[in-house]
Amino acid sequence: DQQVKQNSPSLSVQEGRISILNCDYTNSMFDYFLWYKKYPAEGPTFLISISSIKDKNEDGRFTVFLNKSAKHLSLHIVPSQPGDSAVYFCAASAIDMRFGAGTRLTVKP
Amino acid sequence: NAGVTQTPKFRILKIGQSMTLQCTQDMNHNYMYWYRQDPGMGLKLIYYSVGAGITDKGEVPNGYNVSRSTTEDFPLRLELAAPSQTSVYFCASSYSNRVKETQYFGPGTRLLVL
Repeated sequence: DQQVKQNSPSLSVQEGRISILNCDYTNSMFDYFLWYKKYPAEGPTFLISISSIKDKNEDGRFTVFLNKSAKHLSLHIVPSQPGDSAVYFCAASAIDMRFGAGTRLTVKP
Repeated sequence: NAGVTQTPKFRILKIGQSMTLQCTQDMNHNYMYWYRQDPGMGLKLIYYSVGAGITDKGEVPNGYNVSRSTTEDFPLRLELAAPSQTSVYFCASSYSNRVKETQYFGPGTRLLVL
């Protein structure tokens, strides 16, 4: 069963604009959430995380928002840059960690 | 500092063959993991280890075996390859916490079973 879902397989945005990647989860026991970025032929690399006691965490151009009542989190990238083009995975954990299927972001110059 | 390294990068196996996917980390991490990623799906945990000599099953362990004789190495063994094991395999490691800490991933091994 897919406990973590990224319903948009792909997203295309213009350089300088905002990218919003979404993630939904079903298990209310999840209390820690992460975003990973993956370039082709490389493994995923950690981007940003958030604990369930917070609803927002920022790191430079990247902000993650958590809406526990909706079981939804989102990653905002502002401004988007061509180097941000990659596949983004969200992950959620309680006893185990579960990953979404990923969203391929393309940032056009 | 190489991080997490995996070999081979790509392999084609015939049904019924066996092979070992190698994983090594040089960060002195206690925790190591093996994931598989099928097309259109998220990473699924196969096995993990919390230290040398200690391993445990993840979400999808059937058809695989692991061992952890040293802190650095965590090989994954496929005994009788099946087409369902065609996937991309990622090894990862973390220092002290299995679910509340960043994991560092290797570049992956692409396996095709025909």
